[in-house]
Amino acid sequence: AQSVTQLGSHVSVSEGALVLLRCNYSSSVPPYLFWYVQYPNQGLQLLLKYTTGATLVKGINGFEAEFKKSETSFHLTKPSAHMSDAAEYFCAVSGEGYSTLTFGKGTMLLVSP
Amino acid sequence: DAGVIQSPRHEVTEMGQEVTLRCKPISGHNSLFWYRQTMMRGLELLIYFNNNVPIDDSGMPEDRFSAKMPNASFSTLKIQPSEPRDSAVYFCASSPDSGNTIYFGEGSWLTVV
Repeated sequence: AQSVTQLGSHVSVSEGALVLLRCNYSSSVPPYLFWYVQYPNQGLQLLLKYTTGATLVKGINGFEAEFKKSETSFHLTKPSAHMSDAAEYFCAVSGEGYSTLTFGKGTMLLVSP
Repeated sequence: DAGVIQSPRHEVTEMGQEVTLRCKPISGHNSLFWYRQTMMRGLELLIYFNNNVPIDDSGMPEDRFSAKMPNASFSTLKIQPSEPRDSAVYFCASSPDSGNTIYFGEGSWLTVV
């Protein structure tokens, strides 16, 4: 069984500030981990993913995430927020033997000037 | 490159009517997924096809819902009869690697009144 917990349904930051969106997972197999972003009235777009190898993963738009097995975490970060980053972010887990993603509830990122 | 194409983008229908949502996956992808997104329940997997064969339909809410994939380039999700609680955004997604990386369509916004 797999599950994802995203801490905080809403996160507010100022433009230029650090973005940190938290994701913890549970998986009975080595996990594959994903972050997706959803802009208003649009579908989900893949930001980055971890399957195997390097635990620090870089994605699009300056985002990165680090897989920490000991903490069962895959937090998403960006050094400096931009107004255009305002969107909903979803963490998801899959894994070898699983062909489907289990999504978290999502975190809405609000960016103020 | 064309992404996952869904139609209609928006549909408003009366309770009891049949609703058919359509999806064209990305060419060459071997897996197709239907997800439903609501405020209350977040993103839920409804059904998953691999090589046009339904693999997991445990997420289909009830017999009113049915999905088909007659060929590799087309899938439908049908609701008959529709009910107001079916109002949601329905996403189709496809994958080239059996779910390792999933690409989403823009979604079909369904309102049942």
